[in-house]
Parts: sequence; structure tokens; C-alpha cells
Amino acid sequence: AQSVTQLDSHVSVSEGTPVLLRCNYSSSYSPSLFWYVQHPNKGLQLLLKYTSAATLVKGINGFEAEFKKSETSFHLTKPSAHMSDAAEYFCVVSVNDMRFGAGTRLTVKP
Amino acid sequence: NAGVTQTPKFQVLKTGQSMTLQCAQDMNHEYMSWYRQDPGMGLRLIHYSVGAGITDQGEVPNGYNVSRSTTEDFPLRLLSAAPSQTSVYFCASSLSRGLAGYNEQFFGPGTRLTVL
Repeated sequence: AQSVTQLDSHVSVSEGTPVLLRCNYSSSYSPSLFWYVQHPNKGLQLLLKYTSAATLVKGINGFEAEFKKSETSFHLTKPSAHMSDAAEYFCVVSVNDMRFGAGTRLTVKP
Repeated sequence: NAGVTQTPKFQVLKTGQSMTLQCAQDMNHEYMSWYRQDPGMGLRLIHYSVGAGITDQGEVPNGYNVSRSTTEDFPLRLLSAAPSQTSVYFCASSLSRGLAGYNEQFFGPGTRLTVL
């Protein structure tokens, strides 16, 4: 069985400050892991993916995530938030199927 | 290359009615899936398919049926609609399963369903 837990339902940061969105996973096997973003009333867009290559994964728009097997974590970070980063972010774990976390809503204050 | 298409975009049903949400992809993807998205609950997997003729249940399959007669199409059937099925439904597809799970999924634009 596989599952994913996003530790914060809502994160609020000021523009220009770092972003940290936390994700822990549970899986019997080495999984693939993904982060998706969904802007209001829009579809889902892939930010980045981990598929057993480099543990530090770089994605689009300055986001990156680090796979830590010992901590079963795959946290998403960005050095400096932009107003356009305000959206819902989903962590996804994949082994036999693909399971989504409940999502983290990121608010960016001016 | 249209990617993943879904029809209709919006639908209103009365309790007890049945309908089929259509999903098609033109990328020759093996894996297809249906999710429902509800506030505060993320996307929950309803059913998925790893290839033509093969389907399996996800987290919330009750009240829904699927079939996969071709690689391209993966329709979702609501047998007898209930207000609890009011949601946004997304179809997605993925190329194949690698050594460590599936590759990225491509999502359709979604169907917003209201059941009165």
C-alpha cells in the first residue's frame, strides 16, 4: 500500500521569502514521487518528479524537491516566493497506481 | 496531438439519473485513471486502468463503473447519481510504469458535475 501526507493544509509567506511545502510518503517499494500545482479554476501542471535518479530534483519556476529515503520525505522548496506562486500544491506517490495528498494551499502576501 | 480530452465540461443531474463522463487520450498511454476533487480532500482515485481490458478500483470506487475497451478511451459511468457525487472529475493518463512507479500523469481539463 502507498499513501502520502502533506503536513500543512495552508502555508502563508511574504513575497521574496522562502517557501517550504512538506510531504511525507509511505510505500512498501521505492516509489516515484511528483509535485503538481493547480491554480484557481485551472487544471493540474507538473512541477517536478523523482524517479530514482538524483535525489535533488529541480522543477519549473524555480522549485526543487529533495528525496530523503531515511525520512520518507519529499519536501518542496523555492528560495524566493512570487505572487504568481499562489496556488494549491499536491504531492503524489506512485507505485502500482498514483495517490495524491490532500493538498497545501500557498498564499503569498505582498 | 490533443492530449487528454474530457466531455462534457459541465453537467447537472438529478438524483437517480445515470450518465457517462468521456475521457480520451491520443498519446498511446497505457495507464489511465479517474479522480474526483473535493475541497480539502485533494484528488481521490476512483478507478484506474493499466491497459486495454484491465481495470481496478482506487480509493473511492462505489457508485462508479469503468471499462477500457481501447487504449484511447476510458469512460466513467455513474450508475445512479447521488448528491454526494457532486464534484470535479479529472481523467489522467501516463505513458508506462517504470521501475519505480508510473511516469508523470497528463490531466484533462476536468468535468464539473452537480447532482441535485
